[in-house]
Amino acid sequence: ILNVEQSPQSLHVQEGDSTNFTCSFPSSNFYALHWYRWETAKSPEALFVMTLNGDEKKKGRISATLNTKEGYSYLYIKGSQPEDSATYLCAPSNDYKLSFGAGTTVTVRA
Amino acid sequence: KAGVTQTPRYLIKTRGQQVTLSCSPISGHRSVSWYQQTPGQGLQFLFEYFSETQRNKGNFPGRFSGRQFSNSRSEMNVSTLELGDSALYLCASSLGVFPSTDTQYFGPGTRLTVL
Repeated sequence: ILNVEQSPQSLHVQEGDSTNFTCSFPSSNFYALHWYRWETAKSPEALFVMTLNGDEKKKGRISATLNTKEGYSYLYIKGSQPEDSATYLCAPSNDYKLSFGAGTTVTVRA
Repeated sequence: KAGVTQTPRYLIKTRGQQVTLSCSPISGHRSVSWYQQTPGQGLQFLFEYFSETQRNKGNFPGRFSGRQFSNSRSEMNVSTLELGDSALYLCASSLGVFPSTDTQYFGPGTRLTVL
């Protein structure tokens, strides 16, 4: 079981503002890092799978970077919208399983 | 393409009973993973099945078990239910070919309440 930390635990952002948050994970034996978005009453939705140090992924206004050497990933939301309100989960993977962090809950205020 | 389905969606049981939850993966997916989420906890890995074989198991007591059928559908069973087993149980399916990089697609979950 990997020790995965996400910070902050929650954040509030004004509509139109940009924000970012962190996922920290053990850098040893790294295979891949998954990001998910989990909206209330819905299933977790896959955002990115990242494998290479320095990797950057983008999906619409959401992007993520990866540093495997120091064991962290940032997720960025540009120009936040109310529909971005969700809990964002990161999960390094190895041995057929994902080890999820507790998540960062983002609330976008109109 | 239909997504991952789980049945039932909600379940109420009493302590000491047993329960079976079902998961139907996306067509063509051969890997099914199960996770538990309790209040204040992140998603905790239970086990993963691929082609009817359990490839990995999380740190849960033996009361938690699972299986996978030849059509990739999976069931998990919890025997002798305890109050602490009240949780949301999620299953996820993936191709299972590249275990660490495959995207896992989650179902809606089964909300289990133990009274």
